[in-house]
Amino acid sequence: GESVGLHLPTLSVQEGDNSIINCAYSNSASDYFIWYKQESGKGPQFIIDIRSNMDKRQGQRVTVLLNKTVKHLSLQIAATQPGDSAVYFCAENRVDTGRRALTFGSGTRLQVQP
Amino acid sequence: DAGVTQSPTHLIKTRGQQVTLRCSPISGHKSVSWYQQVLGQGPQFIFQYYEKEERGRGNFPDRFSARQFPNYSSELNVNALLLGDSALYLCASSPSFNQPQHFGDGTRLSIL
Repeated sequence: GESVGLHLPTLSVQEGDNSIINCAYSNSASDYFIWYKQESGKGPQFIIDIRSNMDKRQGQRVTVLLNKTVKHLSLQIAATQPGDSAVYFCAENRVDTGRRALTFGSGTRLQVQP
Repeated sequence: DAGVTQSPTHLIKTRGQQVTLRCSPISGHKSVSWYQQVLGQGPQFIFQYYEKEERGRGNFPDRFSARQFPNYSSELNVNALLLGDSALYLCASSPSFNQPQHFGDGTRLSIL
């Protein structure tokens, strides 16, 4: 079935290093993608989004890359900090008869070692 | 500015009971969506409402229902609760379809 998935369930990095979290999607009709960060006991927090007419978008310390050819999405976090430790989800926002439902993967846990 | 607020934060029910969860969107947001998040998994879409009309429904049984009020707040109702309904229920709001959804911290529902 159509789904959004993640390559790695857990990623451990040293403080100050760059982190890369990957995500694969299967619906070629998807036109909008979002990365969320979820800390324990909280709801998902919006990080950055990208539309299918772009291949790169940068925010504060974060960059999202979109490769539509291989249906791959990545989130790069520069100079990772302990506060970046959380579960990261990519979400596919599909247009389906006017509905904009987010389809989430199972998430990648990022652990930042001091 | 206040974010998405959900109430209650925690709730304990027994099998067969009914529950109502509440959500207040960010001011100015007209779209509200509901998601169920089981421990260790990503959120799953339940409903989307926009301008008080249901615009989408996920793969959930008819025991799940929702509505949106004129002030854009929303309620999620679940009847005949099952043990498998134990989850974090998340509400998200956005100004319209083409903009990011912003989530509340959810209602943790436990079924005994």
